[in-house]
Amino acid sequence: GIQVEQSPPDLILQEGANSTLRCNFSDSVNNLQWFHQNPWGQLINLFYIPSGTKQNGRLSATTVATERYSLLYISSSQTTDSGVYFCAVDVLDTDKLIFGTGTRLQVFP
Amino acid sequence: SQTIHQWPATLVQPVGSPLSLECTVEGTSNPNLYWYRQAAGRGLQLLFYSVGIGQISSEVPQNLSASRPQDRQFILSSKKLLLSDSGFYLCAWKWGYEQFFGPGTRLTVL
Repeated sequence: GIQVEQSPPDLILQEGANSTLRCNFSDSVNNLQWFHQNPWGQLINLFYIPSGTKQNGRLSATTVATERYSLLYISSSQTTDSGVYFCAVDVLDTDKLIFGTGTRLQVFP
Repeated sequence: SQTIHQWPATLVQPVGSPLSLECTVEGTSNPNLYWYRQAAGRGLQLLFYSVGIGQISSEVPQNLSASRPQDRQFILSSKKLLLSDSGFYLCAWKWGYEQFFGPGTRLTVL
């Protein structure tokens, strides 16, 4: 089956720093979503981005489907950005999400 | 607007006891519904999904089952819990191309 790998697995930042999270997938996919799981476990939708670039405030994402990767950029990080970031891909014609391994981000003041 | 509810929020159950977790969606009709499980410190694994009443697809052979008795209700069950069933269970629904998740149920089996 399709493999979805994220890097780095862990990231520690000081408030105000910028970061880039990467998601690699091993096969063609329909769709790609980025999520933030907060410390209480809630999964929050960040981006639906099967291709191209999107921005929402301090966050932006780029997916290059032909090269099978997606990047999530966090600028001017805040302590509230802490948590685990997941990418998830929708495998062609199956309507199911396959989750990546996650990146655990800790932002310190 | 659409909302998704899960209960209970937390649950502690002894090994061998039955389980019933409920998920309901408001503000939409005939949604695709999903159950995922997250083991501690790991990613999410799809357990079941449903495209309509009574239609259930299982992704992983296990000690659990799912049912969809009503259009916007999805239930996860077990007849006898195992220690390995502990985890964080999340229900999700699909709108357009995106999946949206409920608040989850944290299950501890002792």
